[in-house]
Amino acid sequence: AQSVAQPEDQVNVAEGNPLTVKCTYSVSGNPYLFWYVQYPNRGLQFLLKYITGDNLVKGSYGFEAEFNKSQTSFHLKKPSALVSDSALYFCAVRDTAGGSQGNLIFGKGTKLSVKP
Amino acid sequence: GAGVSQSPSNKVTEKGKDVELRCDPISGHTALYWYRQRLGQGLEFLIYFQGNSAPDKSGLPSDRFSAERTGESVSTLTIQRTQQEDSAVYLCASRPGLAGVEQYFGPGTRLTVT
Repeated sequence: AQSVAQPEDQVNVAEGNPLTVKCTYSVSGNPYLFWYVQYPNRGLQFLLKYITGDNLVKGSYGFEAEFNKSQTSFHLKKPSALVSDSALYFCAVRDTAGGSQGNLIFGKGTKLSVKP
Repeated sequence: GAGVSQSPSNKVTEKGKDVELRCDPISGHTALYWYRQRLGQGLEFLIYFQGNSAPDKSGLPSDRFSAERTGESVSTLTIQRTQQEDSAVYLCASRPGLAGVEQYFGPGTRLTVT
């Protein structure tokens, strides 16, 4: 079955330090991978995606993610965390079982807390 | 430009009542999705519309749930005879159709069934 796992419910980082939010996936065929961020009482905002090409993809707000096919991972990273990065982060993979409909399978989310 | 909008932002209803949630997608987006987000959980896919094709209802949890979309515009999600387990945030997303892959989400409707 296709799935996304975010093994950490919460990640705590000091401001200015690098951050990593982990994601692994299981999908048949070539994966389309996404990261979204959710601020309190807001909808999800698209951060970045991987479809093909370079394994390191850059997105909004200084975030990047590294696709690793052998480890079936797509970890989200940022070199220097900001307090304003504190939010809920979701990893998602496009469901390939449904043809071209493109609905997403989401992980349970990781709460990122950046302390000053 | 204008993003995906949803209304109401919050809805409190009594168990057994029907509710209707509305989604206005980004203009020109042919694909529209509804998801449910329970507290502390990821998003669960509910239903998908693509243009004038028959919707994919495979994610709807019961026959109390239904959704409609007129052409490529507004969609409504209806929950009949609401139950407490229906309490969640209902999120709508749209994308530009077959050419686009990322989905753009609305702010959601927080439904509380008392």
